[in-house]
Amino acid sequence: EAGVTQFPSHSVIEKGQTVTLRCDPISGHDNLYWYRRVMGKEIKFLLHFVKESKQDESGMPNNRFLAERTGGTYSTLKVQPAELEDSGVYFCASSQDLGANEKLFFGSGTQLSVL
Amino acid sequence: RKEVEQDPGPFNVPEGATVAFNCTYSNSASQSFFWYRQDCRKEPKLLMSVYSSGNEDGRFTAQLNRASQYISLLIRDSKLSDSATYLCVVNRRTDKLIFGTGTRLQVFP
Repeated sequence: EAGVTQFPSHSVIEKGQTVTLRCDPISGHDNLYWYRRVMGKEIKFLLHFVKESKQDESGMPNNRFLAERTGGTYSTLKVQPAELEDSGVYFCASSQDLGANEKLFFGSGTQLSVL
Repeated sequence: RKEVEQDPGPFNVPEGATVAFNCTYSNSASQSFFWYRQDCRKEPKLLMSVYSSGNEDGRFTAQLNRASQYISLLIRDSKLSDSATYLCVVNRRTDKLIFGTGTRLQVFP
């Protein structure tokens, strides 16, 4: 069974450009999460989808970040326009059941570098 | 103040040593507790959940003290392959995980 896949694995862009990250959760997982680790800091929650609905987006830093999950399958996270402080590793995770923290699987992340 | 505090390390220990990591959390409403392991440039992976009664998985023992809001991880008989960053993670009544910054462990021959 395929795990959580993220694309691209690395992205280098200039300040002011737009970048779109993609996450394909494990098939059948209704819950999809985005997390981010900025250099030197802890991994932080960004948002949580249940199917196509945003359950909790309290961690989204500002309105330059837009997450979508049309059809309740894969998700995209768009940063527009990107700023230097957006650099970091963006992780996606999925689980089948709410509260199933022991069955939460992470993707290998997208390393975003904004120059 | 961070919600989950960990000593960043690094902890440099020889093979076969016993090493202990500690973690404190500030929110008494925290409900679930975990240790994750993260290898360099990889995703975090669940190592074990932590219960008040304490739990053991092979060479790994985790303990939770709710009164002191303190979580520990003990690794016995360290192996080279244990070298990684160990993340202390909690959550409250939500599905949002709160991570510590991690403690780096380096096991040397």
